[in-house]
Amino acid sequence: KNQVEQSPQSLIILEGKNCTLQCNYTVSPFSNLRWYKQDTGRGPVSLTIMTFSENTKSNGRYTATLDADTKQSSLHITASQLSDSASYICVVTLNQAGTALIFGKGTTLSVSS
Amino acid sequence: GAVVSQHPSRVICKSGTSVKIECRSLDFQATTMFWYRQFPKQSLMLMATSNEGSKATYEQGVEKDKFLINHASLTLSTLTVTSAHPEDSSFYICSAPKPGLGEQYFGPGTRLTVT
Repeated sequence: KNQVEQSPQSLIILEGKNCTLQCNYTVSPFSNLRWYKQDTGRGPVSLTIMTFSENTKSNGRYTATLDADTKQSSLHITASQLSDSASYICVVTLNQAGTALIFGKGTTLSVSS
Repeated sequence: GAVVSQHPSRVICKSGTSVKIECRSLDFQATTMFWYRQFPKQSLMLMATSNEGSKATYEQGVEKDKFLINHASLTLSTLTVTSAHPEDSSFYICSAPKPGLGEQYFGPGTRLTVT
């Protein structure tokens, strides 16, 4: 069964600290893996996208890693800011066209001052 | 800038009425668009896949007669919530994959409140 599991479900950190979110998947076939940030009341916004041949991808303070062998991905946030408070969603795509997606339930991150 | 738009962003309607939500791809053509529903503090739930030129494909448990989908053109899909009830109150989001990249772009969402 195709599944994407994220951990932790929620996380609270102090402003300026780093954090790492996890995503494990059992999806086949695999085309790519994406991390999205969803602010409350908004649509998700893409942070990174990685194919199976890519190990790491950075977007500013966000760095995603992918281990296609163990089917694990992580999203590392460096020097967190209050504006990082959001839900982070891991999405695995089964086809290149991007029309078959499996969503994780997301990790809710709260950054406090 | 935004590549997928939704209209309206917020709508309040009375129970029993119908509401139409539009999803537009702004700078690319989308033969496929997706509609999701999201309840508070929960993940996105795929409702249906909108296909230009053919019928929409609905996920299990989603009533096709209640949630009417029309993919009117290569840049527009609409979701009509018919005979809305308070339990239909939710955040509705659409997305479209941009050709070539396979990148999935999400709309900003529509907050529906049924009173």
